[in-house]
Amino acid sequence: GDSVTQMEGPVTLSEEAFLTINCTYTATGYPSLFWYVQYPGEGLQLLLKATKADDKGSNKGFEATYRKETTSFHLEKGSVQVSDSAVYFCALSLYSGYSTLTFGKGTMLLVSP
Amino acid sequence: AAGVIQSPRHLIKEKRETATLKCYPIPRHDTVYWYQQGPGQDPQFLISFYEKMQSDKGSIPDRFSAQQFSDYHSELNMSSLELGDSALYFCASTHTGTGKGSHEQYFGPGTRLTVT
Repeated sequence: GDSVTQMEGPVTLSEEAFLTINCTYTATGYPSLFWYVQYPGEGLQLLLKATKADDKGSNKGFEATYRKETTSFHLEKGSVQVSDSAVYFCALSLYSGYSTLTFGKGTMLLVSP
Repeated sequence: AAGVIQSPRHLIKEKRETATLKCYPIPRHDTVYWYQQGPGQDPQFLISFYEKMQSDKGSIPDRFSAQQFSDYHSELNMSSLELGDSALYFCASTHTGTGKGSHEQYFGPGTRLTVT
């Protein structure tokens, strides 16, 4: 079946450090890929998305490129802030009329001043 | 902009009781999804509705049922609650329409259900 694998956390960084959170997927079709962020005690917010190979999603300094050849969608940010501390979920959606999301296990990011 | 509204935000029930969770999608969104997120877990898809009809079904227990009403709001009904049902329940909405492509889902803040 379809699945998403993320690097395990927590990822602990100092402010202004470079961030990479790895995400790879397995899918029977041609998925759309997403990163969602969940701040403590809150719901899921869409951070960025990509719908086809080589697309780059970007938002708030975060970027991820859809790599079909490596089935990956790694999340990167050049300089993290304390306010980026949250849990990040990679997810995929296969359009088959309806777009149920399949999530990875989530990666907690902790940024210290 | 209007967001997905869920009520209640917190709910405490005892074992074997019933619970009803409500979800009000973003205006003009025709599709609603329900997810369950256990402590420290990723969200798991339960069920979805498009235009008031069930469109997909995931790992929803038989003790749970759901429906979407004519105003597009949805309710998740949970009976014979068990301790393991304690979780955060998210509703998400999207506009499916008749087009193809990705349909990003917009999530509500969740209902935290605690079963004691």
